[in-house]
Amino acid sequence: EAGVTQFPSHSVIEKGQTVTLRCDPISGHDNLYWYRRVMGKEIKFLLHFVKESKQDESGMPNNRFLAERTGGTYSTLKVQPAELEDSGVYFCASSREAGLAGEGEQFFGPGTRLTVL
Amino acid sequence: AQRVTQPEKLLSVFKGAPVELKCNYSYSGSPELFWYVQYSRQRLQLLLRHISRESIKGFTADLNKGETSFHLKKPFAQEEDSAMYYCALSGRGGGSNYKLTFGKGTLLTVNP
Repeated sequence: EAGVTQFPSHSVIEKGQTVTLRCDPISGHDNLYWYRRVMGKEIKFLLHFVKESKQDESGMPNNRFLAERTGGTYSTLKVQPAELEDSGVYFCASSREAGLAGEGEQFFGPGTRLTVL
Repeated sequence: AQRVTQPEKLLSVFKGAPVELKCNYSYSGSPELFWYVQYSRQRLQLLLRHISRESIKGFTADLNKGETSFHLKKPFAQEEDSAMYYCALSGRGGGSNYKLTFGKGTLLTVNP
């Protein structure tokens, strides 16, 4: 079974530019999450999709961040315009739809390292 | 607000020694607790979760609701245990509760 994949693995852009990160979840996983780790800080939740719907976007830092999951398959996270403080590692995770007895394990992708100069 | 605290940023032990990585949490309700591990050049992966009560790679963790702790323990550390360890929690019951809240992580180094 292929794991969660993310593209690109690294991105270096200048302040003010736009960057789009992509995440392909494990096939059949309805739940897709975005997290990020800013240097020196903990990994923080950004948002959660269930299929194509945004279940929880309480972690999105501001309106420069836009996440989509058209068709309920892969997801993109666009940062426009990028600022210096957006630098960090962006992780994607996916899980099956959880049942009542136990929440589904979240499988993580390798992350995209974003550097804003 | 939910929070996970890992007081040790770095932990260094010798091979064969016991190891304990500390984790404390705050959550209004009944959370689910996890330990995730990230080995060098690998992705973050689940090590264990409290509801399964398993021992994975010799590691165990007991949820202590009174002390709101979920410390990770191993009686005899191995060099291959060297990695970054993250304690995390999530809520229950669906909806927005499934998001993970992470601690800052503890970098464990097991010396030969």
